[in-house]
Amino acid sequence: GQQLNQSPQSMFIQEGEDVSMNCTSSSIFNTWLWYKQDPGEGPVLLIALYKAGELTSNGRLTAQFGITRKDSFLNISASIPSDVGIYFCMGAQKLVFGQGTRLTINP
Amino acid sequence: GAVVSQHPSRVICKSGTSVKIECRSLDFQATTMFWYRQFPKQSLMLMATSNEGSKATYEQGVEKDKFLINHASLTLSTLTVTSAHPEDSSFYICSARPQGEVQPQHFGDGTRLSIL
Repeated sequence: GQQLNQSPQSMFIQEGEDVSMNCTSSSIFNTWLWYKQDPGEGPVLLIALYKAGELTSNGRLTAQFGITRKDSFLNISASIPSDVGIYFCMGAQKLVFGQGTRLTINP
Repeated sequence: GAVVSQHPSRVICKSGTSVKIECRSLDFQATTMFWYRQFPKQSLMLMATSNEGSKATYEQGVEKDKFLINHASLTLSTLTVTSAHPEDSSFYICSARPQGEVQPQHFGDGTRLSIL
């Protein structure tokens, strides 16, 4: 099925570093969602974006809905060990997930 | 916040067995629920959209006779994997969207299905 282009596919960083990941699509979306999935569990919603150009924060997380409505990025500042996991973007109404970004943090 | 409960969390059974997975919205009503499948180190792939009181809508390539979906109430959808075979082994995840809201979906914790 259709997927979004999410990058990077994996990241290996030091604790305390900032993280940035993004999703792009050839299609326009009305909503962008960012989820985090821990091993063996379902995805948990982090941030929902409903308006082109919107910039939304949730604690150390910040996400933006691209002005063209074809892309979105997620930033994590000052990473901590519990940030480890797989992050997925989702273009809503078409229920399409990105391939995921696997975040590993070196102590 | 919205809670979605999925049961069982893990199933191990013999080839040829049919397996039923339940998805419940605990604190909201959902006219629509979604079933996903996730293979190791891959993203979630939508299998079907479960509609309360009507037939499910299946994605291309998903066999409706193999993956039976029933959405008999506003808080419960079930997925039955019929005559399961080893290639059906996967992580199955449901999600639900509160009635009246366009987004977002809330996910269950998934069911790890292993067919021997």
